[in-house]
Amino acid sequence: ETGVTQSPTHLIKTRGQQVTLRCSSQSGHNTVSWYQQALGQGPQFIFQYYREEENGRGNFPPRFSGLQFPNYSSELNVNALELDDSALYLCASSGWREGPDTQYFGPGTRLTVL
Amino acid sequence: KQEVTQIPAALSVPEGENLVLNCSFTDSAIYNLQWFRQDPGKGLTSLLLIQSSQREQTSGRLNASLDKSSGRSTLYIAASQPGDSATYLCAVRVRAGTASKLTFGTGTRLQVTL
Repeated sequence: ETGVTQSPTHLIKTRGQQVTLRCSSQSGHNTVSWYQQALGQGPQFIFQYYREEENGRGNFPPRFSGLQFPNYSSELNVNALELDDSALYLCASSGWREGPDTQYFGPGTRLTVL
Repeated sequence: KQEVTQIPAALSVPEGENLVLNCSFTDSAIYNLQWFRQDPGKGLTSLLLIQSSQREQTSGRLNASLDKSSGRSTLYIAASQPGDSATYLCAVRVRAGTASKLTFGTGTRLQVTL
């Protein structure tokens, strides 16, 4: 298992609500990426944070936002939830020592929007 | 826009068989290509990483090849075992703003039967 943890494991929300997902990076890792994986699909890149700033973003609307904290833990916030937001949300961390190629993925948070 | 395709979508083989999973991508401007394993409802485990300048990588019973000019990669699994049953995802690392991101295929779901 990797040192990347995510919480909660599962979450059920209703359409229109807001949700916050959390990721704790592997020790020493200063870069975190978030991915959305719909059922039966491959993960899709949401955004990446490096040293508390967003430095890359995929094709997701602004209601998907994030934060990275000084201890390099991270949050993914989604406002105005839609049914299509139901997915497994994965975070992955990497560090300067190993480089961006060596990413460690967390177990994911399963979000269900009703 | 980079697109990654994996064939077949699903595969069932008897234990002991050798098998090949295929991956193709549309844009050769990649940093590297990775093969991941995903167990149901779980995160991703990196199996092999091939840099864009390399042709293949091997780890135990796994061998992955890369032909960047033709946009193709294969994952060869020798002497398959029931424990190999999982979804196998191919991903290419590409530029995303000042960062890089993984673009995934939709995966091949492998079942190895006794």
